[in-house]
Amino acid sequence: QVTLKESGPGILQPSQTLSLTCTFSGFSLSTYGMGVGWIRQPSGKGLEWLANIWWDDDKYYNPSLKNRLTISKDTSNNQAFLKITNVDTADTATYYCARTGFDYWGQGVMVTVSS
Amino acid sequence: EIVLTQSPTTTAASPGEKVTITCLASSSVSNMYWYQQKSGASPKLLIYSTSSLASGVPDRFSGSGSGTSYSLTINTMEAEDAATYYCQQWSSNPLTFGSGTKLEIK
Repeated sequence: QVTLKESGPGILQPSQTLSLTCTFSGFSLSTYGMGVGWIRQPSGKGLEWLANIWWDDDKYYNPSLKNRLTISKDTSNNQAFLKITNVDTADTATYYCARTGFDYWGQGVMVTVSS
Repeated sequence: EIVLTQSPTTTAASPGEKVTITCLASSSVSNMYWYQQKSGASPKLLIYSTSSLASGVPDRFSGSGSGTSYSLTINTMEAEDAATYYCQQWSSNPLTFGSGTKLEIK
């Protein structure tokens, strides 16, 4: 059974760094072809893909945020991470992680950027 | 970046009615993916590789298309199908989603 769960700080201030963790089970990021992606959704708005990391540590980023994003993984602990630097109110959203293929998604974690 | 334009933006259908949602890509893509998102829930994969039904998805859902024009069809609308639907491509980086189609039940 595949499950994913996101965790994050809940609220942070502008200019801070947002650190998100995706803890998953039912698959391994050491398996050929596997990957995890991060997607966000501001309240009442659409989906925006942020980044993907693959079993071989290959990484893809959305160019619109690339300079601010860092994706990484801890294969032994079945976790993937996303850092977004220099956040502002536009980064307020629900953040999801999903297994590549996006066939399984986490429940999402709400992040609010506010002073 | 490939822009995906969905139409209609919102629509409503009666139970038993056929519904078609269209997704037009700004450049040709090799495959399209479709998701259903109900209020307060995570997106759910419906269709992958343009026309393959994801596991557990009712067969009243189907996908078709090629090049720059793709569609999602619900053969007979049911109340539980009321949701927002998104198309998605990753034929070229970055992965992009359509802006969504809100489907309501009449």
